[in-house]
Amino acid sequence: QVQLQESGPGLVKPSQTLSLTCTVSGASISRGGYYWSWIRQHPGKGLEWIGNIYYSGSTYYNPSLKSRVTMSVDTSNNQFSLKLSSATAADTAVYYCARLAYDSSVYYFDYWGQGTLVTVSS
Amino acid sequence: SSELTQDPAVSVALGQTVRITCQGDSLRSYYASWYQQKPGQAPVLVIYNKNNRPSGIPDRFSGSSSGDTASLTITGAQAEDEADYYCHSRDSSGKHNYVFGTGTKVTVL
Repeated sequence: QVQLQESGPGLVKPSQTLSLTCTVSGASISRGGYYWSWIRQHPGKGLEWIGNIYYSGSTYYNPSLKSRVTMSVDTSNNQFSLKLSSATAADTAVYYCARLAYDSSVYYFDYWGQGTLVTVSS
Repeated sequence: SSELTQDPAVSVALGQTVRITCQGDSLRSYYASWYQQKPGQAPVLVIYNKNNRPSGIPDRFSGSSSGDTASLTITGAQAEDEADYYCHSRDSSGKHNYVFGTGTKVTVL
């Protein structure tokens, strides 16, 4: 069974960098065939895709966040990470990591972490 | 970038059928996937590749697609189906962007 688990600080000060790590078990990131993603959800709001990373390190980011987002992958520890710079209160959200499966013209997030609330506040 | 539009809320009587729609240009190029999210929980995939259900998802959930609109149907809704539902697809801009629908709150009466 594939499992994903987010970890990182639950409180970040404004202007600092929000950093999260997702640890994957039950599947090997380095095997390929999937993208690994970050998605967030502002309190009481809908889902927002942040970005994807492939095991090779190729990244794809939401254009609205691209200037502040960096994703990386650590295949030796089967983890991938998110960094969001210059955090503001608008970045307060539940952050999910997920696996993105794809096949021709269909893309879907088949496994999700439980989510972690990150609050940006002084 | 593309947008996916859903009705904000729908209600259904217990045991009846409800259809949730998702409209957007990207759906002309890519199939939608659908997610169920209950309060305080992570989203769960319920439909992908137009009408495929992951293991463990009841067969009362089904999907369909036509043109720029995808639909999720719950046939014989149960109390436990009360949740928020989101559609999702890849953006049709040609870039690796992904978009979620605005979400539909399903209330089972």
